[in-house]
Amino acid sequence: GAVVSQHPSRVICKSGTSVKIECRSLDFQATTMFWYRQFPKQSLMLMATSNEGSKATYEQGVEKDKFLINHASLTLSTLTVTSAHPEDSSFYICSARGQFYEQYFGPGTRLTVT
Amino acid sequence: AQSVTQPDIHITVSEGASLELRCNYSYGATPYLFWYVQSPGQGLQLLLKYFSGDTLVQGIKGFEAEFKRSQSSFNLRKPSVHWSDAAEYFCAVGEQDYGGATNKLIFGTGTLLAVQP
Repeated sequence: GAVVSQHPSRVICKSGTSVKIECRSLDFQATTMFWYRQFPKQSLMLMATSNEGSKATYEQGVEKDKFLINHASLTLSTLTVTSAHPEDSSFYICSARGQFYEQYFGPGTRLTVT
Repeated sequence: AQSVTQPDIHITVSEGASLELRCNYSYGATPYLFWYVQSPGQGLQLLLKYFSGDTLVQGIKGFEAEFKRSQSSFNLRKPSVHWSDAAEYFCAVGEQDYGGATNKLIFGTGTLLAVQP
């Protein structure tokens, strides 16, 4: 149980385009999901907290107009990187909060902007 | 503010040897504590968690961790390491909001474990 999927696992896009990443909780309902960014050989940086049916809460320094988050259902949250630039290239990981406040993580999405 | 310290950036152990990864936290109340493991290019897998009760917590893959309030520590242990345990390990503390629900996880910087044959 407690499986979280992400799609796509890898994406390459051109500078200026937008990319959507999906995060799904496959066998449980998640009212709260989280989006992280991880740079090579570093820890996870929380970008935003996504609550089903409401606006996401962004961490300080994260541009909400650039990183659009939608949590339309109890099993799906999406992160859209708008007008992507090479500096947005990173490993993006989502998680879903479980029953006892633990988080279950997706496998991550490697974004490369050329 | 809550924080998590993993003092060892990189550890190398021999296969079959015992392992202890250190984690210290800073938190005002009773913490919710977690250990996660990450293989290269993958997401994080929950190894174990502590909320309350018995301070020795058993997890998956033969790992255990002990919560020591007096030392503000939550060290991860395994009696005999396997080559497949080579990965990055993250300790995390759950940050509780006003209502007492844990929302964010505050992660340590991670410990990279290498296993020698």
